[in-house]
Amino acid sequence: EIVMTQSPATLSVSPGDRASLSCSASQSVSINVAWYQQKPGQTPRVLIFGASTRATGVPARFSGAGSGTDFTLTINSLQSEDYAVYYCQQYNNWPLTFGEGTKLEIK
Amino acid sequence: EVQLVEAGGGVVQPGGSMRLSCAASGFPFSRFAMSWVRQAPGKGLEWVSGISSGGTTTYYADSVKGRFSISRDISRNTLFLQLDNLRGEDTALYYCVKPSSGGNWFDSWGQGILVTVSS
Repeated sequence: EIVMTQSPATLSVSPGDRASLSCSASQSVSINVAWYQQKPGQTPRVLIFGASTRATGVPARFSGAGSGTDFTLTINSLQSEDYAVYYCQQYNNWPLTFGEGTKLEIK
Repeated sequence: EVQLVEAGGGVVQPGGSMRLSCAASGFPFSRFAMSWVRQAPGKGLEWVSGISSGGTTTYYADSVKGRFSISRDISRNTLFLQLDNLRGEDTALYYCVKPSSGGNWFDSWGQGILVTVSS
């Protein structure tokens, strides 16, 4: 099973600033990584797939990068609606696995 | 519009069983592999199980292997998850999820069904 490790567990960033979230895979997953956003009481929403492709309707301030074992989700110019929990997921191998999540909170 | 509607949750005693179902509509169900993802209260997402489009291949997380069984009825556009020998740590909101056509990342989620394992 591929373990996805996200860091940090909690990230405090001021509105208007940039947030960088990390996700590391225990073995190579090529570019088969997706990022999801989950707000309290809501189902997760996909933001990024293929490590760097934005899903339909996702604002351009969200970007993804990486390949192999190390991946990053960057959110530029943080808006109030961006404060949420973010998860990475690898879909290169079964079983599919998620990271533990990074909670992005207002500084 | 894709719709995934879960049913069958509730409260069950440790060691008990439960069967979840997911009624799918709005997409060609028989062409997509499907999965279940769960989320314990206040915790993160955990992929639980997946099944191939034809239903012949199944996949499980180590945490549920040998206790859970996934299946599908293509004629009824329905996905199932049989949960046996349930433990307290299986208490969670169980989501039925549909992958994209381009890979096993999830573009559609049901609202989730709560399973509570408690005596």
